[in-house]
Parts: sequence; C-alpha cells; structure tokens
Amino acid sequence: SQKIEQNSEALNIQEGKTATLTCNYTNYSPAYLQWYRQDPGRGPVFLLLIRENEKEKRKERLKVTFDTTLKQSLFHITASQPADSATYLCALGRGNKLVFGAGTILRVKS
Amino acid sequence: SQTIHQWPATLVQPVGSPLSLECTVEGTSNPNLYWYRQAAGRGLQLLFYSVGIGQISSEVPQNLSASRPQDRQFILSSKKLLLSDSGFYLCAWSVPAGGAGTGELFFGEGSRLTVL
Repeated sequence: SQKIEQNSEALNIQEGKTATLTCNYTNYSPAYLQWYRQDPGRGPVFLLLIRENEKEKRKERLKVTFDTTLKQSLFHITASQPADSATYLCALGRGNKLVFGAGTILRVKS
Repeated sequence: SQTIHQWPATLVQPVGSPLSLECTVEGTSNPNLYWYRQAAGRGLQLLFYSVGIGQISSEVPQNLSASRPQDRQFILSSKKLLLSDSGFYLCAWSVPAGGAGTGELFFGEGSRLTVL
C-alpha cells in the first residue's frame, strides 16, 4: 500500500535560517503534491501545490521541489521566523483523492 | 466568499452511542467534500470523499458512514461508537479541477470526539 514518510522528530532551527522539510513516498505515483501548515487544535491551511511535471514552485519565502524519480518532495522556508513554528504536512494526490503524511513539527527559536 | 462550517466543535460520547457530525459549505457549488480523522499526534487519515450528491467513496472499512444529502452538506455518522473512534475529525472542501484532480483543500475548524 502507499506510504508517505515525513520526519517524525521535530526540526529545531534558529531564527533566520532555512528550514528544510522532507516528504518521501512509496508505492504511489501522485499527479500532484501539496503542503499544508497546521497549528495546534486547528485545521490545516494550504501553502503550495506542485504537479508531477513541475520541478520547483516558489511563493514568497517558501519553496517546494518535487522529484518523481526519487519519490521525494522538499519544502523550504527561508529566513525562518518564530511565527513559522507549526506542523507541516505533505499530501499526495491523484484524481480527487488526497492522502496526507503524518507531518513534521518545526520549531523556530529566536 | 466561501466558508465552511463544521459542528459540533467538541463532544464526549459513551461507547456504543451514535454519532452525527455535520459539515456545510457556503459560497460555492458542486465542491468535492472530504472527511478526515486525526488521532492524537498522528497524521490525517482520509475517511470519505464525495464528488457529488449521493456519491461517496469510502477509504477505510470501519463502523463509520458518510452521506451527502445536499450539494454542500456532508454528514459523518456512526450507529455505535468504539473507543478507537476518538479523534479530531476534519471536514474539507475543494474545487474540482477536472482531469487535473483537486485543488487546495479548505478545512473546517474540526470536531474533537472523545469516546469513553
């Protein structure tokens, strides 16, 4: 069955540094991949979408890459701020079905 | 603008009791609708999704069911709750993108269910 892996350990970084989060998947060929941010007790909020024929997408301080050969997506937050602290979820989709990973907790320290 | 409403926000139910969670979307037509469950410290598990009235796709065999009686209404139900049904239930909607799949999901605020 399909499997989505995100770092289970929290990522702790210093303010101003670049945070890099990883999403690996197996037994799946997604047509697109999305990243979401989730704060405690809240629903996830959409950040970026990248399709299988795209290598990289950017939005302000965010960048996502999608390597269908490695079956991996990397999510970067540049010039990180304490307000970026949250859980970040990757989600893989084909058709109307979107499946989420367990998420990685990011903590940005000032 | 589009909004999504989900209720109740919190509920505590005894094992074996029924469940009904409701979700409605405003400001859009024919959305894709989704129910996810998130156990404590875990990721989102897709339970059901719907691309139209009366069309329900079930992802996980369990004692839950979903219905879509109206275009913008999505209901999650159970006849008899289990302890393992505890969790944070999230409803979401998206704009269908035809052959390109679905766009971004817009989530409700969630319903936290505790089964005792």
